[in-house]
Amino acid sequence: GQQVMQIPQYQHVQEGEDFTTYCNSSTTLSNIQWYKQRPGGHPVFLIQLVKSGEVKKQKRLTFQFGEAKKNSSLHITATQTTDVGTYFCAGPGSGYSTLTFGKGTMLLVSP
Amino acid sequence: EAQVTQNPRYLITVTGKKLTVTCSQNMNHEYMSWYRQDPGLGLRQIYYSMNVEVTDKGDVPEGYKVSRKEKRNFPLILESPSPNQTSLYFCASSLSWIRTGWAYEQYFGPGTRLTVT
Repeated sequence: GQQVMQIPQYQHVQEGEDFTTYCNSSTTLSNIQWYKQRPGGHPVFLIQLVKSGEVKKQKRLTFQFGEAKKNSSLHITATQTTDVGTYFCAGPGSGYSTLTFGKGTMLLVSP
Repeated sequence: EAQVTQNPRYLITVTGKKLTVTCSQNMNHEYMSWYRQDPGLGLRQIYYSMNVEVTDKGDVPEGYKVSRKEKRNFPLILESPSPNQTSLYFCASSLSWIRTGWAYEQYFGPGTRLTVT
């Protein structure tokens, strides 16, 4: 079925450092969503990208959708301890109306 | 407050004992789904429903049943739970079903941690 690969699986940074997670698909994605899950919490929607080459920003977070719509990235500038959590990308699955999540990138930020 | 609720939040049971995890949303959403989350495997979709009486399989449906008799409720049923169904389960809802080229924001419930011994 449809797979969305996400790297890295885990990253530990010092507060103030930048962080990037990447999402890759072997097939073209019509759209991609990003979610954040805090430790012990549930996934929370961050953003959706739809257009080829699209770039969206939310304060220190920058989201990109590749020109070929096969990859996406989330970049956090100057991480803060509040950024701790697991970040997931999600794209259309192989089923008619399914959603496939990447395995997530766990971010740990040390003060 | 707009929310998705799940009950119970924690459940320890034994192999073979039927159980139901309830899910309810108060946002009049058409699309609802169930996911399981396991370490290293991320979130995997079990079943989804595009509307009342319309359900379909996700990526990992074996061992699970669902029903959608009312718009707001989408219970997950494990008729004969086994230890490999020990997991963290999330119910989610969205305004409508996923269309080609567009997907609606998924609102997740707080999760149900299930242990089957």
